[in-house]
Amino acid sequence: ETGVTQTPRHLVMGMTNKKSLKCEQHLGHNAMYWYKQSAKKPLELMFVYNFKEQTENNSVPSRFSPECPNSSHLFLHLHTLQPEDSALYLCASSQDRFAGGETQYFGPGTRLLVL
Amino acid sequence: DQQVKQNSPSLSVQEGRISILNCDYTNSMFDYFLWYKKYPAEGPTFLISISSIKDKNEDGRFTVFLNKSAKHLSLHIVPSQPGDSAVYFCAAKSETSGSRLTFGEGTQLTVNP
Repeated sequence: ETGVTQTPRHLVMGMTNKKSLKCEQHLGHNAMYWYKQSAKKPLELMFVYNFKEQTENNSVPSRFSPECPNSSHLFLHLHTLQPEDSALYLCASSQDRFAGGETQYFGPGTRLLVL
Repeated sequence: DQQVKQNSPSLSVQEGRISILNCDYTNSMFDYFLWYKKYPAEGPTFLISISSIKDKNEDGRFTVFLNKSAKHLSLHIVPSQPGDSAVYFCAAKSETSGSRLTFGEGTQLTVNP
């Protein structure tokens, strides 16, 4: 238990569906992250939020839309996804985006399958 | 361009022996390195880290070595235990990138009883 929870753990959706992934951290952190892990590939950073403000968008297609209503919650809204978007989506948090040398704490991930 | 590479997708060792996981990087701006461990159906968990001002950091059975001239780091696990079986990710960051981590592809370690 890392203090970062993600729901749902598994999601199957069609290309025309709209769904949302939820992440919640109970660590009092101020920075939150979305990562994508495709099979046999490294974790890819998607978005970074620091104090509820988006500080990074790593050239992510607009069919992925993040939302951070407060420092404890992070959402990833999905619409008109493609089969190649099937992957494990991981949320992480850290004390502060600008603090050097500190680690990120990961949630268990949402396994997404797009049909 | 993959800046952090773990060239061995898998490693199998006997219980009680040493496990050595390797990681190479290309970005000379990286100044902090981390190892994460990931079990199936769980997210990665932080294991050990090292700053570029050091060449070795030890925590119990886990030791990370950094060779800056070779842009290479390794994780040693001694003695290896079956519970260490997991995917191990190497990650790196630079001061200018804030908390942005660049990950390797991971190495699946299997420790056989």
